[in-house]
Amino acid sequence: DGGITQSPKYLFRKEGQNVTLSCEQNLNHDAMYWYRQDPGQGLRLIYYSQIVNDFQKGDIAEGYSVSREKKESFPLTVTSAQKNPTAFYLCASSIGGKNEQFFGPGTRLTVL
Amino acid sequence: QKEVEQNSGPLSVPEGAIASLNCTYSDRGSQSFFWYRQYSGKSPELIMSIYSNGDKEDGRFTAQLNKASQYVSLLIRDSQPSDSATYLCAVLVYTDKLIFGTGTRLQVFP
Repeated sequence: DGGITQSPKYLFRKEGQNVTLSCEQNLNHDAMYWYRQDPGQGLRLIYYSQIVNDFQKGDIAEGYSVSREKKESFPLTVTSAQKNPTAFYLCASSIGGKNEQFFGPGTRLTVL
Repeated sequence: QKEVEQNSGPLSVPEGAIASLNCTYSDRGSQSFFWYRQYSGKSPELIMSIYSNGDKEDGRFTAQLNKASQYVSLLIRDSQPSDSATYLCAVLVYTDKLIFGTGTRLQVFP
Protein backbone atom coordinates (compact mmCIF):
# COMPACT_ATOMS: atom_id res chain seq x y z
CA ASP A 1 0.00 0.00 0.00
CA GLY A 2 1.89 3.03 -1.29
CA GLY A 3 1.73 6.40 0.33
CA ILE A 4 3.20 9.11 2.47
CA THR A 5 3.16 8.85 6.24
CA GLN A 6 3.78 11.57 8.77
CA SER A 7 4.17 11.21 12.49
CA PRO A 8 3.08 12.17 14.98
CA LYS A 9 -0.36 13.45 14.03
CA TYR A 10 -0.40 15.91 16.91
CA LEU A 11 2.65 17.29 18.71
CA PHE A 12 2.91 19.59 21.68
CA ARG A 13 6.14 21.35 22.48
CA LYS A 14 7.31 23.69 25.16
CA GLU A 15 9.02 26.89 24.12
CA GLY A 16 12.76 26.44 23.74
CA GLN A 17 12.58 22.79 22.67
CA ASN A 18 13.56 21.37 19.31
CA VAL A 19 11.20 18.82 17.79
CA THR A 20 11.53 16.54 14.77
CA LEU A 21 8.64 15.69 12.47
CA SER A 22 8.83 12.48 10.52
CA CYS A 23 7.95 12.02 6.84
CA GLU A 24 8.29 8.71 5.01
CA GLN A 25 7.19 7.70 1.52
CA ASN A 26 7.21 4.36 -0.29
CA LEU A 27 6.23 5.75 -3.69
CA ASN A 28 9.81 5.73 -4.97
CA HIS A 29 9.54 9.48 -5.49
CA ASP A 30 12.75 11.45 -5.91
CA ALA A 31 11.49 14.81 -4.66
CA MET A 32 10.17 15.62 -1.21
CA TYR A 33 8.87 18.84 0.30
CA TRP A 34 7.87 20.42 3.60
CA TYR A 35 5.15 23.04 3.78
CA ARG A 36 3.61 24.97 6.59
CA GLN A 37 -0.06 26.00 6.63
CA ASP A 38 -1.47 28.69 8.88
CA PRO A 39 -5.18 29.63 9.13
CA GLY A 40 -6.26 31.80 6.22
CA GLN A 41 -2.94 31.44 4.43
CA GLY A 42 -1.75 29.35 1.57
CA LEU A 43 0.82 26.63 1.95
CA ARG A 44 4.32 28.01 2.30
CA LEU A 45 7.41 26.04 1.30
CA ILE A 46 9.96 25.44 4.06
CA TYR A 47 12.50 23.09 2.46
CA TYR A 48 12.63 20.74 -0.48
CA SER A 49 14.88 17.99 -1.74
CA GLN A 50 15.10 16.66 -5.27
CA ILE A 51 17.70 14.02 -4.60
CA VAL A 52 19.25 12.14 -1.70
CA ASN A 53 21.86 14.12 0.28
CA ASP A 54 20.77 17.40 -1.27
CA PHE A 55 18.14 19.93 -0.22
CA GLN A 56 17.31 23.60 -0.75
CA LYS A 57 15.71 26.28 1.34
CA GLY A 58 12.20 27.32 0.51
CA ASP A 59 10.56 30.64 1.27
CA ILE A 60 10.45 30.33 5.07
CA ALA A 61 13.43 28.15 6.06
CA GLU A 62 14.57 30.19 9.06
CA GLY A 63 14.29 28.21 12.28
CA TYR A 64 13.98 24.86 10.49
CA SER A 65 16.43 22.17 9.42
CA VAL A 66 16.13 19.00 7.33
CA SER A 67 18.15 16.00 6.23
CA ARG A 68 17.78 13.59 3.30
CA GLU A 69 19.94 10.59 4.02
CA LYS A 70 17.53 8.12 2.44
CA LYS A 71 15.23 8.45 -0.56
CA GLU A 72 12.23 7.43 1.54
CA SER A 73 12.72 9.81 4.44
CA PHE A 74 12.79 13.59 4.84
CA PRO A 75 12.55 14.60 8.52
CA LEU A 76 12.00 18.21 9.53
CA THR A 77 13.38 19.68 12.76
CA VAL A 78 11.64 22.72 14.17
CA THR A 79 14.25 24.49 16.25
CA SER A 80 13.85 26.87 19.16
CA ALA A 81 14.89 29.65 16.77
CA GLN A 82 11.55 29.40 14.96
CA LYS A 83 9.60 32.29 16.45
CA ASN A 84 6.07 31.13 15.73
CA PRO A 85 6.11 27.36 15.18
CA THR A 86 2.45 26.57 15.92
CA ALA A 87 1.05 25.43 12.57
CA PHE A 88 -0.07 22.50 10.43
CA TYR A 89 3.00 20.90 8.80
CA LEU A 90 2.59 19.04 5.54
CA CYS A 91 5.05 16.78 3.78
CA ALA A 92 4.69 16.08 0.07
CA SER A 93 6.50 14.08 -2.58
CA SER A 94 6.64 13.93 -6.35
CA ILE A 95 8.31 11.80 -9.01
CA GLY A 96 10.43 14.78 -10.01
CA GLY A 97 10.58 18.49 -9.38
CA LYS A 98 8.12 19.43 -12.11
CA ASN A 99 5.50 16.81 -11.38
CA GLU A 100 2.33 16.51 -9.33
CA GLN A 101 2.88 16.63 -5.59
CA PHE A 102 1.07 14.30 -3.21
CA PHE A 103 0.62 15.09 0.45
CA GLY A 104 0.89 13.13 3.64
CA PRO A 105 -1.75 13.49 6.38
CA GLY A 106 0.11 16.27 8.19
CA THR A 107 1.36 16.99 11.70
CA ARG A 108 -0.30 19.63 13.82
CA LEU A 109 2.30 21.27 16.07
CA THR A 110 1.30 23.36 19.05
CA VAL A 111 3.79 25.27 21.17
CA LEU A 112 2.68 25.67 24.75
CA GLN B 1 0.39 41.36 -6.50
CA LYS B 2 0.16 37.84 -5.13
CA GLU B 3 1.57 35.12 -7.35
CA VAL B 4 -1.62 33.03 -7.15
CA GLU B 5 -4.93 34.62 -6.25
CA GLN B 6 -8.23 33.07 -5.33
CA ASN B 7 -11.43 34.45 -3.89
CA SER B 8 -11.61 33.14 -0.32
CA GLY B 9 -15.38 32.68 -0.44
CA PRO B 10 -17.40 31.07 0.87
CA LEU B 11 -18.99 30.11 -2.41
CA SER B 12 -22.42 28.71 -1.63
CA VAL B 13 -24.24 26.60 -4.21
CA PRO B 14 -27.30 24.36 -3.97
CA GLU B 15 -26.97 20.62 -4.37
CA GLY B 16 -27.01 19.64 -8.04
CA ALA B 17 -25.75 23.00 -9.30
CA ILE B 18 -22.44 23.79 -11.01
CA ALA B 19 -19.77 25.29 -8.76
CA SER B 20 -17.23 27.52 -10.51
CA LEU B 21 -13.93 28.23 -8.81
CA ASN B 22 -11.42 30.67 -10.26
CA CYS B 23 -7.73 31.36 -9.89
CA THR B 24 -5.39 33.91 -11.46
CA TYR B 25 -1.59 33.79 -11.52
CA SER B 26 1.17 36.26 -12.26
CA ASP B 27 4.03 34.17 -13.74
CA ARG B 28 3.48 34.14 -17.52
CA GLY B 29 5.98 31.31 -17.92
CA SER B 30 4.03 28.86 -15.75
CA GLN B 31 3.28 25.58 -17.47
CA SER B 32 1.69 23.36 -14.84
CA PHE B 33 -1.46 23.98 -12.84
CA PHE B 34 -3.13 21.95 -10.14
CA TRP B 35 -6.31 21.88 -8.10
CA TYR B 36 -6.34 20.38 -4.63
CA ARG B 37 -9.29 19.74 -2.37
CA GLN B 38 -8.80 20.13 1.37
CA TYR B 39 -11.38 19.08 3.92
CA SER B 40 -11.30 20.84 7.27
CA GLY B 41 -8.46 19.52 9.41
CA LYS B 42 -7.10 17.28 6.63
CA SER B 43 -4.27 17.50 4.13
CA PRO B 44 -4.73 18.61 0.49
CA GLU B 45 -5.76 15.97 -2.03
CA LEU B 46 -4.88 16.39 -5.71
CA ILE B 47 -8.00 16.32 -7.87
CA MET B 48 -6.94 17.82 -11.21
CA SER B 49 -3.83 18.83 -13.11
CA ILE B 50 -3.79 20.77 -16.39
CA TYR B 51 -0.91 21.75 -18.63
CA SER B 52 -2.44 22.94 -21.93
CA ASN B 53 -4.91 25.65 -22.85
CA GLY B 54 -8.50 24.49 -22.95
CA ASP B 55 -10.61 22.12 -20.91
CA LYS B 56 -9.77 18.88 -19.16
CA GLU B 57 -12.57 16.75 -17.81
CA ASP B 58 -12.46 14.04 -15.15
CA GLY B 59 -15.81 12.82 -13.94
CA ARG B 60 -17.75 15.72 -12.46
CA PHE B 61 -14.68 17.95 -12.52
CA THR B 62 -13.53 20.15 -15.40
CA ALA B 63 -10.38 22.24 -15.26
CA GLN B 64 -10.06 25.15 -17.67
CA LEU B 65 -6.83 26.92 -18.53
CA ASN B 66 -6.32 30.19 -20.38
CA LYS B 67 -2.63 31.10 -20.41
CA ALA B 68 -3.15 34.33 -22.36
CA SER B 69 -5.43 35.65 -19.62
CA GLN B 70 -3.47 33.89 -16.87
CA TYR B 71 -6.37 32.17 -15.24
CA VAL B 72 -7.33 28.64 -14.40
CA SER B 73 -10.72 27.51 -13.21
CA LEU B 74 -12.39 24.42 -11.80
CA LEU B 75 -15.98 23.50 -12.52
CA ILE B 76 -17.79 20.96 -10.38
CA ARG B 77 -20.96 19.65 -11.98
CA ASP B 78 -23.85 18.16 -9.99
CA SER B 79 -22.37 19.51 -6.75
CA GLN B 80 -22.88 17.36 -3.68
CA PRO B 81 -22.70 18.25 0.03
CA SER B 82 -19.60 16.02 0.16
CA ASP B 83 -17.89 18.52 -2.18
CA SER B 84 -17.96 21.10 0.60
CA ALA B 85 -14.30 21.84 1.23
CA THR B 86 -11.59 24.38 0.51
CA TYR B 87 -10.19 24.20 -3.02
CA LEU B 88 -6.57 25.21 -3.48
CA CYS B 89 -5.15 26.35 -6.78
CA ALA B 90 -1.42 25.69 -7.25
CA VAL B 91 0.89 26.89 -10.00
CA LEU B 92 4.37 25.61 -10.82
CA VAL B 93 6.44 28.74 -11.39
CA TYR B 94 9.74 29.25 -13.22
CA THR B 95 11.78 28.31 -10.14
CA ASP B 96 10.11 24.86 -10.15
CA LYS B 97 8.34 25.73 -6.93
CA LEU B 98 4.65 25.10 -6.44
CA ILE B 99 2.90 28.28 -5.35
CA PHE B 100 -0.47 27.91 -3.67
CA GLY B 101 -3.39 30.27 -3.48
CA THR B 102 -5.10 30.75 -0.15
CA GLY B 103 -8.05 28.66 -1.29
CA THR B 104 -11.76 29.09 -1.94
CA ARG B 105 -14.18 27.62 0.57
CA LEU B 106 -17.09 25.88 -1.15
CA GLN B 107 -20.35 25.15 0.64
CA VAL B 108 -22.92 22.92 -1.05
CA PHE B 109 -26.28 23.05 0.69
CA PRO B 110 -29.04 20.43 0.32
